[in-house]
Amino acid sequence: GQQLNQSPQSMFIQEGEDVSMNCTSSSIFNTWLWYKQDPGEGPVLLIALYKAGELTSNGRLTAQFGITRKDSFLNISASIPSDVGIYFCAGNLGAQKLVFGQGTRLTINP
Amino acid sequence: NAGVTQTPKFQVLKTGQSMTLQCAQDMNHNSMYWYRQDPGMGLRLIYYSASEGTTDKGEVPNGYNVSRLNKREFSLRLESAAPSQTSVYFCASSDGGFNQPQHFGDGTRLSIL
Repeated sequence: GQQLNQSPQSMFIQEGEDVSMNCTSSSIFNTWLWYKQDPGEGPVLLIALYKAGELTSNGRLTAQFGITRKDSFLNISASIPSDVGIYFCAGNLGAQKLVFGQGTRLTINP
Repeated sequence: NAGVTQTPKFQVLKTGQSMTLQCAQDMNHNSMYWYRQDPGMGLRLIYYSASEGTTDKGEVPNGYNVSRLNKREFSLRLESAAPSQTSVYFCASSDGGFNQPQHFGDGTRLSIL
């Protein structure tokens, strides 16, 4: 089946640093979604992208839908301790299922 | 703001036992989903229900059955639990199809011995 390659798998950063993660695929997606999951909880939607080239912000978070429609990235600026968690990308291929990346685990040293 | 509610939160079963995971949403969403989450594998779709009265298989349906009881509720049943079904199970709902954002419950952590 279709796969999303999400990288990096884990990140260890200092508080205040910027973070960048991305998802790539060999398939063309119609929608990209970015989620964050805190320990013991379900994923929570951060940003939804619907058009190639779209750049959307949500506070300190910015995500872009790649021009080729095969990739997307998420940036977090000036990281704070509550940014710790696992970040997932998910892509939709039209009427088919939503495909999830394997996640990026973010750890922040204060 | 309950959103998507899953019960139970934790469960331990013996191999061969059966159980039903419950899910309810209060957002009047048409579509509901069941996923399992295993370490390093992201979320994989087990079954989904595009609307009340319909259900369809996802990526990993074997060993599971579902019931869309009404618009609010979508249950997942394990008829004869196996250790390979040890996982965290998430229910989600959305207002529309797969291109719409899905809202997740907090999960059911299931261990099968």
